[in-house]
Amino acid sequence: GAVVSQHPSWVICKSGTSVKIECRSLDFQATTMFWYRQFPKQSLMLMATSNEGSKATYEQGVEKDKFLINHASLTLSTLTVTSAHPEDSSFYICSARTGGLGNYNEQFFGPGTRLTVL
Amino acid sequence: DAKTTQPNSMESNEEEPVHLPCNHSTISGTDYIHWYRQLPSQGPEYVIHGLTSNVNNRMASLAIAEDRKSSTLILHRATLRDAAVYYCIPRRQNQGGKLIFGQGTELSVKP
Repeated sequence: GAVVSQHPSWVICKSGTSVKIECRSLDFQATTMFWYRQFPKQSLMLMATSNEGSKATYEQGVEKDKFLINHASLTLSTLTVTSAHPEDSSFYICSARTGGLGNYNEQFFGPGTRLTVL
Repeated sequence: DAKTTQPNSMESNEEEPVHLPCNHSTISGTDYIHWYRQLPSQGPEYVIHGLTSNVNNRMASLAIAEDRKSSTLILHRATLRDAAVYYCIPRRQNQGGKLIFGQGTELSVKP
């Protein structure tokens, strides 16, 4: 199957700083990428959908000015957590999908990035 | 979104078959039923998907009820590596193919 990588795999930062997380599709072009957040013992929560070259679409309740998403190329999307606070500490996971909107397109998930805000 | 109901947890013995049920009674006619699993501290991994007919692949089998209101993921011989949270997800085509995760079933496998 296709490979999606994330960098860094974990990060610790001080409250008030910004953190950037990268998501790359290594062997395919991803027209659409998704960002999820997962708190301990909970399920994945979809934060936003990004299509290459256009603005991300955020799910209800997700602050777009706090979680900046850029999808500048077909193989790279970035999530920047601005002015991070301890409540932003979570496991951030991206996924990537090829092609159009058809149901047959499989999504490939990255390994996740563990963010800890002190 | 189609709502899903799965058992919170299930246990299995190694080398035995496991049947993981999922109810999705509000599924629409064009929703594919996807199953993903998530091992501890990893991203989810695709398992299988189907629309109406039963499906088989190297990882598992998917049995879909005739009315499509429920499905069952079948692991034919559970191994310790199959211990994970299993998510059943109806995926709606007109939502851009978004995968909306429910609570899933945490499967533990005993040696």
